[in-house]
Amino acid sequence: GAGVSQSPRYKVTKRGQDVALRCDPISGHVSLYWYRQALGQGPEFLTYFNYEAQQDKSGLPNDRFSAERPEGSISTLTIQRTEQRDSAMYRCASSSRGGGHEQYFGPGTRLTVT
Amino acid sequence: TQLLEQSPQFLSIQEGENLTVYCNSSSVFSSLQWYRQEPGEGPVLLVTVVTGGEVKKLKRLTFQFGDARKDSSLHITAAQPGDTGLYLCAGANAGGTSYGKLTFGQGTILTVHP
Repeated sequence: GAGVSQSPRYKVTKRGQDVALRCDPISGHVSLYWYRQALGQGPEFLTYFNYEAQQDKSGLPNDRFSAERPEGSISTLTIQRTEQRDSAMYRCASSSRGGGHEQYFGPGTRLTVT
Repeated sequence: TQLLEQSPQFLSIQEGENLTVYCNSSSVFSSLQWYRQEPGEGPVLLVTVVTGGEVKKLKRLTFQFGDARKDSSLHITAAQPGDTGLYLCAGANAGGTSYGKLTFGQGTILTVHP
């Protein structure tokens, strides 16, 4: 009965390093979404999956960002060669079905690139 | 690109006052969701409106979906300090290649003073 979990909760990395952010959705949820959220702003869509298939990656800023969900459950958002502008709160959400159905959000990973 | 314009961006009122938050777009959405987010937490769904002209009430909160399904409003009656938070509207794409994607507004930061 656990909610969406994300790890790590906080990540500080040096510019140029790669980082991997993990999302563990609610068990049985079909759809998984990644967002980036600035303080006091709405979430900005990055990408989403139905089962293991990446349905839309139009929100990924550039090719340093990638995401996978190989077994249709846990997902990883990877940022290669991090830059300071990548610093943000990264949020994951899951939904029992697609089509913009109710999304349950995780606590987020605060990424700081120094 | 679908955009949701949310207004006002900031709202600071006294306990007991009424307020309305607006969410407008030039695009049609299959449904529109309202979320509330507290500091350090992820957004939590308040309501989903699906039918044009639909009105839903949740205690002191009244949500309305525009007839053309392009806009929505959230009205709070007799606001209380516990209503303080970030309010977000999010539209679900009606179909096409972006089916399933939620587009969030910029958010309204509400502060209710005792």
